[in-house]
Amino acid sequence: DTEVTQTPKHLVMGMTNKKSLKCEQHMGHRAMYWYKQKAKKPPELMFVYSYEKLSINESVPSRFSPECPNSSLLNLHLHALQPEDSALYLCASSRPGPLGETQYFGPGTRLLVL
Amino acid sequence: EDQVTQSPEALRLQEGESSSLNCSYTVSGLRGLFWYRQDPGKGPEFLFTLYSAGEEKEKERLKATLTKKESFLHITAPKPEDSATYLCAVQGSAGNNRKLIWGLGTSLAVNP
Repeated sequence: DTEVTQTPKHLVMGMTNKKSLKCEQHMGHRAMYWYKQKAKKPPELMFVYSYEKLSINESVPSRFSPECPNSSLLNLHLHALQPEDSALYLCASSRPGPLGETQYFGPGTRLLVL
Repeated sequence: EDQVTQSPEALRLQEGESSSLNCSYTVSGLRGLFWYRQDPGKGPEFLFTLYSAGEEKEKERLKATLTKKESFLHITAPKPEDSATYLCAVQGSAGNNRKLIWGLGTSLAVNP
């Protein structure tokens, strides 16, 4: 089973709203990721959690706040977003391989900021 | 600087017409090369991981190969349901080994 689930599937929010994206995996993976993807572009890394600790923050604006409550769950809290933040937000988790780590992606949350 | 280039940018095939997609890379110490398939509005679906030159992996109509400079994704007798964007990414030994360097993808359309 290589399933990563994300909720909600779609989200529309105003610039003053606070909302959260949720991600869950039950594969025992110890690394989890948030990505942002714009149309016709590859995924852009935002955050990486390793063993429930934030290990990478790709200089993401503070209006995006990640949280890893336990090894299976990952949240992304959104506050005071801008219209340019509208995108597909992807969660992924990874397992170690012989050398690198294979990442498995969820279906994404389509976010529209009005 | 680590870099991934995919070609062609777009490819249109007739059903049953076999072809190959290319992923050229430069990376400091390859830890893995990854192929994903992505349908519009959905998350990337994992296809293959390749670790060393000479390695090959197959899944249904797809076969991925790896050399020291590039990878090919061969599609044999494609069907319309193979239409998607195919993304290639590499993981190098420099910096944090969890960060992927992505190509821009090849958009494949298979006509019935």
